[in-house]
Amino acid sequence: TQLLEQSPQFLSIQEGENLTVYCNSSSVFSSLQWYRQEPGEGPVLLVTVVTGGEVKKLKRLTFQFGDARKDSSLHITAAQPGDTGLYLCAGGKLTFGQGTILTVHP
Amino acid sequence: DAGITQSPRHKVTETGTPVTLRCHQTENHRYMYWYRQDPGHGLRLIHYSYGVKDTDKGEVSDGYSVSRSKTEDFLLTLESATSSQTSVYFCAISGTQKTPGNTIYFGEGSWLTVV
Repeated sequence: TQLLEQSPQFLSIQEGENLTVYCNSSSVFSSLQWYRQEPGEGPVLLVTVVTGGEVKKLKRLTFQFGDARKDSSLHITAAQPGDTGLYLCAGGKLTFGQGTILTVHP
Repeated sequence: DAGITQSPRHKVTETGTPVTLRCHQTENHRYMYWYRQDPGHGLRLIHYSYGVKDTDKGEVSDGYSVSRSKTEDFLLTLESATSSQTSVYFCAISGTQKTPGNTIYFGEGSWLTVV
């Protein structure tokens, strides 16, 4: 069974701060996805990373896939209240991490 | 918009009654999935389908059955609902020529309460 461990589980920060969320596994994945979910809605795909060492940027969000394709990170620069939500990583046979609940206070 | 519709969106039912949730997609995706989401457990795969009449079990399949008689519809049935099946259920789809097979798109969820 492929497991994905996300950390931290909860993150509460002030507007303007930077943060990083981690997604780790002992297994190698052919690709990893990051999703964001808002209350009352389904997860929405943010990005897919497929190549070891790959870095993708989506405005203030930077996603990195580890060289060994066992881990990934999501970095948010200058967080805003609109970034508040549940962030999920996923990979392999439809395996999801537990998620990181991010709250950005004005 | 990935063209996924779940119904019903909200349902309250009594213990022991059968319940069917429907997922309908309009974009001819090959793969369809049912997940449940619970606090502290994240998203867990119940069943999935890789084509008409082709289904397989996921991580938490006990107490659930599925059917896919048409490409566009994937039904999740709780034969005899229990309180432990109170959850939010998400349908998801993947697998087209335009998107990698591992990238999935979710519906808006079905809130089920078993009393």
